[in-house]
Amino acid sequence: DQQVKQNSPSLSVQEGRISILNCDYTNSMFDYFLWYKKYPAEGPTFLISISSIKDKNEDGRFTVFLNKSAKHLSLHIVPSQPGDSAVYFCAASASQFYFGTGTSLTVIP
Amino acid sequence: NAGVTQTPKFQVLKTGQSMTLQCAQDMNHNSMYWYRQDPGMGLRLIYYSASEGTTDKGEVPNGYNVSRLNKREFSLRLESAAPSQTSVYFCATSSSGRPKEYEQYFGPGTRLTVT
Repeated sequence: DQQVKQNSPSLSVQEGRISILNCDYTNSMFDYFLWYKKYPAEGPTFLISISSIKDKNEDGRFTVFLNKSAKHLSLHIVPSQPGDSAVYFCAASASQFYFGTGTSLTVIP
Repeated sequence: NAGVTQTPKFQVLKTGQSMTLQCAQDMNHNSMYWYRQDPGMGLRLIYYSASEGTTDKGEVPNGYNVSRLNKREFSLRLESAAPSQTSVYFCATSSSGRPKEYEQYFGPGTRLTVT
């Protein structure tokens, strides 16, 4: 049973526009949420995180929003760049880590 | 500074064969993890080691064993490989102390095929 879900397998966005990647979770005990980026044939790399006591965290072009009542988090990338094309995983932590299935983002030049 | 290294990069096994996947880190991190990634399943935690000398089961531990040899090395062993263990295996590490413990650093992966 998937505790962290990413319902959109893929997303295409024009360069310069905003990319919004979504993630839903079921376990209210999760206290920390992260986003990872993965290029083909490489391991995931940490992108940005948010604690459950916050509702927003920003780092340059990347912003993560957390809506605890809806058990939903999103990653906003603005402006999107071709180098952002990758698979993005959300992850949540209680006593251990649970990952979503990933969303493949394509930024079109 | 190599970060997290994994060997081998690729491996093909026959059903019933055994093998050990190796992971080493030079980041002086306390915690180490083994994940598998399958299409449509995301990454799933197999085992983890919060510190040298300790190991714990993750979400999908059946069919695997682990050894935390020292602070740097964490190995994953398949005693009798099955086709269901065909996957990409990732090792990861993290520091201790919140929130650093939540940021994991991944190796490049081992692609394993069991025929």
